[in-house]
Amino acid sequence: DAGVIQSPRHEVTEMGQEVTLRCKPISGHDYLFWYRQTMMRGLELLIYFNNNVPIDDSGMPEDRFSAKMPNASFSTLKIQPSEPRDSAVYFCASSYGQGGGTEAFFGQGTRLTVV
Amino acid sequence: GQNIDQPTEMTATEGAIVQINCTYQTSGFNGLFWYQQHAGEAPTFLSYNVLDGLEEKGRFSSFLSRSKGYSYLLLKELQMKDSASYLCQASGAGSYQLTFGKGTKLSVIP
Repeated sequence: DAGVIQSPRHEVTEMGQEVTLRCKPISGHDYLFWYRQTMMRGLELLIYFNNNVPIDDSGMPEDRFSAKMPNASFSTLKIQPSEPRDSAVYFCASSYGQGGGTEAFFGQGTRLTVV
Repeated sequence: GQNIDQPTEMTATEGAIVQINCTYQTSGFNGLFWYQQHAGEAPTFLSYNVLDGLEEKGRFSSFLSRSKGYSYLLLKELQMKDSASYLCQASGAGSYQLTFGKGTKLSVIP
């Protein structure tokens, strides 16, 4: 397997524009996570899915953020409208199995810059 | 809620031993992960502790004390390539409440 694949790797957009980040998890994994990483706040969990169903979105900062997982091999994180404070590296990760004891495999991240 | 603390930065000499500490306060604790993240790259899994005690894996070891809410990562025979951030993550029981610390940036110097 090629691992978790994210696209794009870099995104520069203007404030107010819609941004869509994409993720393909590792085949067979039943958990998918979206994280945001900044210097100030570190790595924050935004939302996670189990078997394509959103389980906990309490980390999503505002209604401007939304995430979907239409099938087991694809997920999107959308920001509309984007703001400069959304600039960060967004990671997608996947894992297999219930409970908290399985390691997560991270994609290479999308570096988002909102100007 | 969950709170995780780890030192922001550490510096150690090549060939030496370094211990990176992590304290956590969490409701419904299940286990504790350590991840390594090189600059500009994704985090990668190092270890997972659910029981008290030391888990050894080559040059890296991880320790957990559930009663004290404390863990550490021990790196032996440091190499330059060990320069990275080390992230501590607590896992909540019964759910996937996964909280990362802000990471400890380790610099290994000659």
